[in-house]
Amino acid sequence: GDSVTQMEGPVTLSEEAFLTINCTYTATGYPSLFWYVQYPGEGLQLLLKATKADDKGSNKGFEATYRKETTSFHLEKGSVQVSDSAVYFCALGAPQGGSEKLVFGKGTKLTVNP
Amino acid sequence: KAGVTQTPRYLIKTRGQQVTLSCSPISGHRSVSWYQQTPGQGLQFLFEYFSETQRNKGNFPGRFSGRQFSNSRSEMNVSTLELGDSALYLCASSRGTGTNNSPLHFGNGTRLTVT
Repeated sequence: GDSVTQMEGPVTLSEEAFLTINCTYTATGYPSLFWYVQYPGEGLQLLLKATKADDKGSNKGFEATYRKETTSFHLEKGSVQVSDSAVYFCALGAPQGGSEKLVFGKGTKLTVNP
Repeated sequence: KAGVTQTPRYLIKTRGQQVTLSCSPISGHRSVSWYQQTPGQGLQFLFEYFSETQRNKGNFPGRFSGRQFSNSRSEMNVSTLELGDSALYLCASSRGTGTNNSPLHFGNGTRLTVT
C-alpha cells in the first residue's frame, strides 16, 4: 500500500541554520504530496504542496520539490527561526473509494535554539 | 473566517464507556475527515463524510463510527472504549473530496484519555 517515510528526529538546530527533512514515498500512480506542520497544542496546518513531478511547493521560506525519479519530497529552509520549532509531517494523497485520504509519515520534531 | 472547531478539547473516560466528539467545519466546506493521532501509530485515517454520506473508511473496528449532518457538522462516536483509544482525534474539513484541489484544514483536536 501507499506509505511515507520521514527521517527520524528529533532535529535540533541553531537559529539561522539550514534545514533539511528527508521524505520518500511509495505509491501507485502520481500522488499529490504535502508538508504539514503541527505547533504544540494545535492541529495540523498545510505548509506547502506539490501536485505533479518537478513541481516546487514553497511557503514561509520553506521549499520542497516533487522528485518522481527518486520518489522524494524533501523539505528545506535556508535559515530557520526559533518560531519554526514544531513537528513536520510529510504526506501523500492516496486514492480510496472514489475519493482520497492523506497518508502521513511519522513526523519529525524540529527544535530551533536561539 | 472561523476555522475548524472541535469540541471538547479534552475528555477523560473510563474503559467500557462510549464517547462522542464533535466537529464544525469551515463555512462552505462540505467534506469532513477524521484522523487519530498517537505516539506509536502516528496519524491514521478514520473516515470521511461528504454531503452526509460516508465516502471512505480506514482500518478501524466497528466501535468507531461517525455521521454528518445537513449543515456539514460531524460527530464521531467510539463505543466500548479501550485504553488504546487514548489519542488526539483530529477533524479536517475541505470544500470537496480529493486532496489535490481541496486542501484539508485541521482543527486543534480533541485529546481523549481512557483510564
